[in-house]
Amino acid sequence: DIQVTQSPSSLSASVGDRVTITCRASQPISSYLNWYQQKPGRAPKLLIYGASTLQSGVPSRFSGSGSGTDCTLTISSLQPEDFATYYCQQSYSSLFTFGPGTKVDAK
Amino acid sequence: QVQLQESGPGLVKPSETLSLTCTVSGDSISGDYWSWIRQPPGQGLEWIGYISHSGSTNYNPSLKSRLTISVDTSKNQFSLRLSSVTAADTAVYFCARDTYNSGRHRFDSWGQGALVTVSS
Repeated sequence: DIQVTQSPSSLSASVGDRVTITCRASQPISSYLNWYQQKPGRAPKLLIYGASTLQSGVPSRFSGSGSGTDCTLTISSLQPEDFATYYCQQSYSSLFTFGPGTKVDAK
Repeated sequence: QVQLQESGPGLVKPSETLSLTCTVSGDSISGDYWSWIRQPPGQGLEWIGYISHSGSTNYNPSLKSRLTISVDTSKNQFSLRLSSVTAADTAVYFCARDTYNSGRHRFDSWGQGALVTVSS
């Protein structure tokens, strides 16, 4: 199985801050990596797929980069509606796995 | 715009079978893949498995012995059956459209989720 970790597990930030979340896979996964945002009581929402492609309708302040074992999600200027938990997910292997999540809350 | 809606019992007794159905609207189920994902209360996401429109399946090995995912194209629905449930199967169960492109899968549309509690 491909294990996926995220760092940090949580962070506190202010509106306007640049936020970076890292996802690391236990083996190279090329760009088979997606990012989701989940708010309490809601279903996850796809933000980025293929490591760097912005899902239609997602604001351009979200971006993704990386390949191999390390990928990054960046929010260029945090907005009030961005406080949420973020998950990465790999689809390189036939067993899809999610990272444990990164909770972004207000400083 | 595609919409997905889970339905089924919210309470299941231990050792019994959990059954959920996902009804898809705004898109034909005869395309792409369709996945089930679950989230225990306060925890992270676990992919359960997917089915294609043609009926081919891929299951999480940790659940495979208890799991059946099926599709009914005439009703534009797909279903989950998980047998011999325990309290560890208590979770919010999501159905999702699993879009496949260039060898890559992504969950681009989700149902709202259905809480299933396993308790006597």
